[in-house]
Amino acid sequence: DTAVSQTPKYLVTQMGNDKSIKCEQNLGHDTMYWYKQDSKKFLKIMFSYNNKELIINETVPNRFSPKSPDKAHLNLHINSLELGDSAVYFCASSQAELAGNNEQFFGPGTRLTVL
Amino acid sequence: AQSVAQPEDQVNVAEGNPLTVKCTYSVSGNPYLFWYVQYPNRGLQFLLKYITGDNLVKGSYGFEAEFNKSQTSFHLKKPSALVSDSALYFCAVRDIESGYSTLTFGKGTMLLVSP
Repeated sequence: DTAVSQTPKYLVTQMGNDKSIKCEQNLGHDTMYWYKQDSKKFLKIMFSYNNKELIINETVPNRFSPKSPDKAHLNLHINSLELGDSAVYFCASSQAELAGNNEQFFGPGTRLTVL
Repeated sequence: AQSVAQPEDQVNVAEGNPLTVKCTYSVSGNPYLFWYVQYPNRGLQFLLKYITGDNLVKGSYGFEAEFNKSQTSFHLKKPSALVSDSALYFCAVRDIESGYSTLTFGKGTMLLVSP
């Protein structure tokens, strides 16, 4: 059984387009995250939601908009894609973030290539 | 502020030999510390964590790590490396007193185990 799943796995698109990445977790976790991993494998938090509420919003361009329809899903919508958005995007989840000591479970990643 | 340093981009070790992947951290309070592993084209997998208690933490796949507060280190170790341990390893830290603070990841260390 897949714990954290993301679709699509690969996404190739032109500059200026709008695209979405979907994430679902079946672990019953309260908290979900989006990370960006660049070409040098550096991993940076973008957003975090706890029970559908945004709790962390790092300095990410407002072209990126997360949406959490329920606590098992956290989608990422990106408007007006730019070349610099090319990266691997990881979704993750954990039990309640408040404790701060819970490990995160990562999805397989979505490789976004902007041409 | 919180930060984590992995001073080695790559660690090479022969199969059967012990391995160490280094990590040092900086927090204003007390840390929660984590190690994750990333295999090629996969998401990160949790290995182990230090929250409180024993300084020596044991985790998945025979890995362990020792929390050293005076040296602000949390090095990952394994007594006998396997070729299948070859992967990218990330250390991560969260400052306990920071509430909803983010998890900060190091830049990663590539471990290569030769047959």
